[in-house]
Parts: sequence; structure tokens; C-alpha cells
Amino acid sequence: TAGITQAPTSQILAAGRSMTLRCTQDMRHNAMYWYRQDLGLGLRLIHYSNTAGTTGKGEVPDGYSVSRANTDDFPLTLASAVPSQTSVYFCASSDSGGHTEAFFGQGTRLTVV
Amino acid sequence: RKEVEQDPGPFNVPEGATVAFNCTYSNSASQSFFWYRQDCRKEPKLLMSVYSSGNEDGRFTAQLNRASQYISLLIRDSKLSDSATYLCVVNPPSYIPTFGRGTSLIVHP
Repeated sequence: TAGITQAPTSQILAAGRSMTLRCTQDMRHNAMYWYRQDLGLGLRLIHYSNTAGTTGKGEVPDGYSVSRANTDDFPLTLASAVPSQTSVYFCASSDSGGHTEAFFGQGTRLTVV
Repeated sequence: RKEVEQDPGPFNVPEGATVAFNCTYSNSASQSFFWYRQDCRKEPKLLMSVYSSGNEDGRFTAQLNRASQYISLLIRDSKLSDSATYLCVVNPPSYIPTFGRGTSLIVHP
């Protein structure tokens, strides 16, 4: 079973360029999340979606946008990358209600230069 | 105050030792609690859920204290393979998983 898949696994991006990080899950989970993980700061929520067609802002949403056109996909877009967006990005999903565990993709390591 | 707080460590222990981690959370209405394990440069993976009555899985024991708003993880008979970062996760009423910064464990021979 694939579970949750992210692409690309790593990327070097020039500052000012745009990029979309892809996330797809095949578990039919309603809720999906994007986190960034930086040394010493842990996992911080960027955006989330409780169900297809709805999204919400997390703790650090500035500079990022998301869409949720269907249940399976939850892409994260950087419209104009800046060096402070260098990070490891994790996509996750969980069943509605939040009483069950979240499953994570393998992460995307992004370097903005 | 961060919603979920953990001592970052590192906890440096010999094989066979018992080690305990605590995690405090700020939202008293939080609904569910978990411990995740994260190996270097990998994604977090569920270690165990934490139930009100406490629960055990082999060498691992998790406990919840709602009155004091903390959860704990006890690892007995530590193995080298237990070396990792342990993340405390709390689901507040919004159900959005909220992570602590993680506690680093290093088990040495």
C-alpha cells in the first residue's frame, strides 16, 4: 500500500521562483496537513484541510498556499520562494475527528538559494 | 507558551537503562494523545497512542495525567535501536495534530 506520497523528495530552488510540492494519499482520509520541520523548532503547521473543498491556515502560513480539489491530493505552493523557506516539508493525513493517528509522507527537503 | 512542550534533551543513556520523557500541554480540552518516533531525516511514525488508563506495549509504557496536563513515555531495557527523537502529539478540540519539539534519545553501548 502506498499510503501517503510526496514529490519531489528534494529540491534546490532559486529565490523568487515558484514551486508546488505534491502530496497524494490513497487512504481516503478526510483531513490533510502540511508541516515544516526546522532544527530546534519541531513540526509547525502551515496549512490544513478538514475535507475536500476546505482549507485553513496553520501556525506559519505566510508565503504558502494550498488547495484541496479532491480527497486524495493536497498540493502546497510557494509563490515566490525565499531562503527562510528552506526546510523539510511533511504532508500528513488522518481520519476525520482526529482521534486516530496521522500518517506522514516521506518528506520533501527544500533548499532555497 | 507553546501548546505542547517537551524537554529537547538529549537523553544519553546506556543500553539496558530505563528512561522517561514527559510532555505538557496547555489546552485542557485536548481530546487525544500520541507518542511518535522520528529517526534522523525520516518521517514521524506512530509509536503508541496514550489512553486515560495508561497503556503498555512491550518495553514502552505511556501514561496520561489530565489533571496536571501531561503525558509520559517510559522505555525500559533501552536498546541501541531506540535512539531517535520522540515526539509528543496532542489533538486539541480542533483535532489538528499539534507536535512538541521532540526529545532526543541516544542509547550507547
